[in-house]
Amino acid sequence: SQTIHQWPATLVQPVGSPLSLECTVEGTSNPNLYWYRQAAGRGLQLLFYSVGIGQISSEVPQNLSASRPQDRQFILSSKKLLLSDSGFYLCAWSVLAGGTDTQYFGPGTRLTVL
Amino acid sequence: AQSVTQLGSHVSVSEGALVLLRCNYSSSVPPYLFWYVQYPNQGLQLLLKYTSAATLVKGINGFEAEFKKSETSFHLTKPSAHMSDAAEYFCAVKTNSGGSNYKLTFGKGTLLTVNP
Repeated sequence: SQTIHQWPATLVQPVGSPLSLECTVEGTSNPNLYWYRQAAGRGLQLLFYSVGIGQISSEVPQNLSASRPQDRQFILSSKKLLLSDSGFYLCAWSVLAGGTDTQYFGPGTRLTVL
Repeated sequence: AQSVTQLGSHVSVSEGALVLLRCNYSSSVPPYLFWYVQYPNQGLQLLLKYTSAATLVKGINGFEAEFKKSETSFHLTKPSAHMSDAAEYFCAVKTNSGGSNYKLTFGKGTLLTVNP
């Protein structure tokens, strides 16, 4: 069966520091991968989407970036964190089945920027 | 463009009572519809999905939802609430059209409280 891992689970970082969040998927090949942010009272916001190694689509302009160095690895980064980057970051994966692809989510990373 | 509206940001029910969480969608093409549940400080878990087969979809934990095209609705129900159902519920829509066929659009969520 497929599993998705995210780490770290929680992170407290000062403003202006760098960020690296990692997501890995097991038990599937060539998944679509997604990064979402869930900020208090603002619902789920899709940040990045990837259909394959090195292929990244950005949904919103911001100081975050994403990379996919391996088929089942997705990394979210920032060179300098802002206060507004605080939130709950969720990674998700999907594969096409039954006419559409269903997204499955990881456990999330709680980021607090101080 | 697709969108989702969840009526009621907070729903409170008594244990054993009917749970009804409302979701209306907007889509110019036949949609795929999903319900997810999120427990505190956890990721989203898929409850059920509609993919144009049966209009009444059964999911995990005793939940079900009915796709009603005429009402553009996909409401989530459970006959008898349990304390463990307390969580936030998200409705989402996806269409296979245009260049954004990967995109899942979420509602703002409904927080379900279950009172003993």
